[in-house]
Amino acid sequence: NAGVTQTPKFQVLKTGQSMTLQCAQDMNHEYMSWYRQDPGMGLRLIHYSVGAGITDQGEVPNGYNVSRSTTEDFPLRLLSAAPSQTSVYFCASRRWDRPYNEQFFGPGTRLTVL
Amino acid sequence: DQQVKQNSPSLSVQEGRISILNCDYTNSMFDYFLWYKKYPAEGPTFLISISSIKDKNEDGRFTVFLNKSAKHLSLHIVPSQPGDSAVYFCAASVEGGKLIFGQGTELSVKP
Repeated sequence: NAGVTQTPKFQVLKTGQSMTLQCAQDMNHEYMSWYRQDPGMGLRLIHYSVGAGITDQGEVPNGYNVSRSTTEDFPLRLLSAAPSQTSVYFCASRRWDRPYNEQFFGPGTRLTVL
Repeated sequence: DQQVKQNSPSLSVQEGRISILNCDYTNSMFDYFLWYKKYPAEGPTFLISISSIKDKNEDGRFTVFLNKSAKHLSLHIVPSQPGDSAVYFCAASVEGGKLIFGQGTELSVKP
């Protein structure tokens, strides 16, 4: 099992550009989520999905879109990048029936918006 | 409004001694608490968890204590090893499976 994979590892964008951060998992997990990590802020939930075709907003959803067409993939789209979106982005997944909600994280994408 | 707080950004401990990482929370509706460990340039990895109906959970060198009346939990690592040097995040689970994370504490274990 590859677990949770994310591409790219690094990305530099100019303000106003768009891009998609890719996330895939091969564990057949129903639940997937996106977090951003900023210094002094911990990890904050952006969007999450409880299954294919179902998505919902987290704590900091503005400026980001998601979709979930398959169980395996959960891409995160930045439609018009802003410097405030400079961050490290983590994708995570878990089985829906795990009682303590343990999530498995990908290695992260470091995004810089100039 | 930070519902989960780790007030110590860093902690330095001698190898072989105990490391105690602390976490405070405000929402009494959290049903599980988890600790994650993160090395540089890697994603967080799950370490240990505790249900809100328990007050202690142990796994090898790692023990988590929960004090519901004080809304406080702590992670004890005994004995500490240099490989334990990492950032530790406390997280709380709400209904529906969302996790709310603290700011993290960077642990340094010196040989």
